[in-house]
Amino acid sequence: KAGVTQTPRYLIKTRGQQVTLSCSPISGHRSVSWYQQTPGQGLQFLFEYFSETQRNKGNFPGRFSGRQFSNSRSEMNVSTLELGDSALYLCASSSGQPTDTQYFGPGTRLTVL
Amino acid sequence: QKEVEQNSGPLSVPEGAIASLNCTYSDRGSQSFFWYRQYSGKSPELIMFIYSNGDKEDGRFTAQLNKASQYVSLLIRDSQPSDSATYLCAVRVGGGTSYGKLTFGQGTILTVHP
Repeated sequence: KAGVTQTPRYLIKTRGQQVTLSCSPISGHRSVSWYQQTPGQGLQFLFEYFSETQRNKGNFPGRFSGRQFSNSRSEMNVSTLELGDSALYLCASSSGQPTDTQYFGPGTRLTVL
Repeated sequence: QKEVEQNSGPLSVPEGAIASLNCTYSDRGSQSFFWYRQYSGKSPELIMFIYSNGDKEDGRFTAQLNKASQYVSLLIRDSQPSDSATYLCAVRVGGGTSYGKLTFGQGTILTVHP
């Protein structure tokens, strides 16, 4: 099976711009979770989508949003970028069941200048 | 108090030794526990998961869970230089909408020196 894919792998944006990141889960997986990883805060949960519905949300401002399509692919969007949004954005794929494990994609490295 | 705390590193062990990584969690409703390994510049890679009290072994890795003490650990036997990485402890609280949310510790950097 192919693993989790994320595009693009690297992005450079300037403050105030917006950005859209994409994640394709493992075939058959219906849950996609998004995380932000920074040196200072570590790995933090953004939100999870399951069957096109946001099922869980972390403590991030409304500038961070996402969606999921019928083929389980997911996108996350960050509007009005701030310098502090520079991070590695990771998505994780799972079946979405209670005892299932999450498998991470390679991540998108976002740099905000 | 942080939700998930790991023993402060970095941890340095000689090749062939046992590396012990520890993690405590604050939410007694936590039901699933995971260890991920992250090499520099890479994404986290799942090593072990454990749901029940006791030990779970997989090759050179053993995960230990003690829910009464709210403690989970990872032992790496016969440590190799290739085990040098950051180890992340992750916890999932039980209950319907929590399925997709993992809470991570800050990570422990392990260095295995020849």
